[in-house]
Amino acid sequence: NAGVMQNPRHLVRRRGQEARLRCSPMKGHSHVYWYRQLPEEGLKFMVYLQKENIIDESGMPKERFSAEFPKEGPSILRIQQVVRGDSAAYFCASSPRRGGQETQYFGPGTRLLVL
Amino acid sequence: GQNIDQPTEMTATEGAIVQINCTYQTSGFNGLFWYQQHAGEAPTFLSYNVLDGLEEKGRFSSFLSRSKGYSYLLLKELQMKDSASYLCAGKTGANNLFFGTGTRLTVIP
Repeated sequence: NAGVMQNPRHLVRRRGQEARLRCSPMKGHSHVYWYRQLPEEGLKFMVYLQKENIIDESGMPKERFSAEFPKEGPSILRIQQVVRGDSAAYFCASSPRRGGQETQYFGPGTRLLVL
Repeated sequence: GQNIDQPTEMTATEGAIVQINCTYQTSGFNGLFWYQQHAGEAPTFLSYNVLDGLEEKGRFSSFLSRSKGYSYLLLKELQMKDSASYLCAGKTGANNLFFGTGTRLTVIP
């Protein structure tokens, strides 16, 4: 039973380029969450999605960042016109359904470095 | 808003017991999670508490007091491989997790 998968594991971009991060949830999971971890800081919630729906994007910067979870395929976190401050580890988590007791399982993360 | 406080670093000896404390403030509360994260790796689920009391799982136990906004993770019979960051995370009513900065535990021989 494969866990949460993310790719790429490492991504290097120059300022102004676009970064696309992919997340495939665990089999049977329909809820996806994205978190960002800056160096020496805790994970910060960005966005919560179900298939074809954004449930909560309260943690996502208003500009340059977008997320989707299409009916088919992985969830994508997209960062346009990257800046050095976007360098961080981006983790995706998934859970089977919405609910207080549902555990979120994390993927290995994508480490983005902006030069 | 939400806030989590936990110590930044702790050191303990192999074979010993260590308790990592966590206090939280949140306007909506839906449970308290503990995750383990080795450097450069994904957080791994350890425990979940939603009711007051102690949950035991092998060498790991987690305690919650909702009235005090307090939790702890207890690790027994420490092993070198337990050296990692331990993340305390509260779950909001909106179903997302808010994390502290984590406690970096170093186990020494």
